[in-house]
Amino acid sequence: EVQLLESGGGLVQPGGSLRLSCEASGFTFSSYAMTWVRQAPGRGLEWVSAISVSGYSAYYTDSVKGRFTISRDNSKNTLYLQLNSLRAEDTAVYYCVKDQGEEVGIGAFDFWGQGTLVTVSS
Amino acid sequence: DIQMTQSPSTLSASVGDKVTITCRASQSVDRWLAWYQQKPGKAPNLLIYKASTLESGVPSRFSGSGSGTKFTLTISSLQPDDFATYYCQQYISYFSFGQGTKLEMK
Repeated sequence: EVQLLESGGGLVQPGGSLRLSCEASGFTFSSYAMTWVRQAPGRGLEWVSAISVSGYSAYYTDSVKGRFTISRDNSKNTLYLQLNSLRAEDTAVYYCVKDQGEEVGIGAFDFWGQGTLVTVSS
Repeated sequence: DIQMTQSPSTLSASVGDKVTITCRASQSVDRWLAWYQQKPGKAPNLLIYKASTLESGVPSRFSGSGSGTKFTLTISSLQPDDFATYYCQQYISYFSFGQGTKLEMK
């Protein structure tokens, strides 16, 4: 059974940082691209970032470029998202998502974690 | 960036009804289109990918069609478990989602 377990969310002040983690199990983590999607309270889904199987290729939505960094450790079956210079508009549930394919953009998102809430407020 | 627009934003229907949700892309996405179902407080669940391929385990009352810039999600006979919010998503050029369609009980 595929499982994606996010952690690391919480309350942080504007300008602060957080590191989200996603521990994967039930599939060969090193064979699939991975993604972060977020959902602000009461709002729709927004793609945030994606990473290739090797970790060498990373992609970001414009609003987080230069502030967020996606990475992965295939030896630990873990996906990360480093969030820096946080803003109120980054407040959202952040979902860890498995891609269908081994490369970014060739498949839809077939498994989702339950999400971790990031709240940016003073 | 490719913009995805769903209609309607809210849909009221009854158990047993046939319902259709439309998704339009601002430019062609070929058939690189997926549909997701999300219930309150839960993560989204993949229903359909490549515009019309049913994900494993998804009931056959769900179907998808379309290509290019216009797509539809159809539920042939609405069941109580189907009241939820539905999102379309393109994945030909990075990723973007529609704003969602809330399917509510009439």
